[in-house]
Amino acid sequence: ETGVTQTPRHLVMGMTNKKSLKCEQHLGHNAMYWYKQSAKKPLELMFVYNFKEQTENNSVPSRFSPECPNSSHLFLHLHTLQPEDSALYLCASSQWPGEDGLFFGSGTQLSVL
Amino acid sequence: GQQLNQSPQSMFIQEGEDVSMNCTSSSIFNTWLWYKQDPGEGPVLLIALYKAGELTSNGRLTAQFGTTRKDSFLNISASIPSDVGIYFCAGQLRNFGAGKSTFGDGTTLTVKP
Repeated sequence: ETGVTQTPRHLVMGMTNKKSLKCEQHLGHNAMYWYKQSAKKPLELMFVYNFKEQTENNSVPSRFSPECPNSSHLFLHLHTLQPEDSALYLCASSQWPGEDGLFFGSGTQLSVL
Repeated sequence: GQQLNQSPQSMFIQEGEDVSMNCTSSSIFNTWLWYKQDPGEGPVLLIALYKAGELTSNGRLTAQFGTTRKDSFLNISASIPSDVGIYFCAGQLRNFGAGKSTFGDGTTLTVKP
């Protein structure tokens, strides 16, 4: 148990569906992140939130829409995804500033049909 | 941007053997971190290193922060089947936050009983 909880663990959706991924951290951290992990590719940072404010968007397509209502919760809203968006989506949190690394959730394995 | 070269890409070893893997960078980092990712889970932080030359242990794991600040090493002694997984190194610069960590591509470890 890392203190970061992601739901759902698995998600299958069609290209016309709208779904949301949820992340909650119980560590008192003030920064939260979304990462994408595709097979045989390194971890890709998607979005960064510090103190609920989005501070980074790594050229992510607009079909991915993040939301951070408070420092403990993070959402990733998905709509009109493509099959190549199938991947493991990981949420992480950390203290900012800080050098103690990232605490990851278990991820949502997303399949887009 | 900065890139990390992590090697080897994969390892197949017998239970009880020792394991060594490393990460090199073309530029310096202030912090080196090592994570392990079990199948179907998110990465979990194993060891964090903060000073050049630092040697830190966590059970059977030992990691070192290279003296040039451009490399790091992870050793696992007397491997067991539950050591199976993907090991990632990550480099972090001070004041950039954990979310700006640069990740290696991972070393996939398989342990044969």
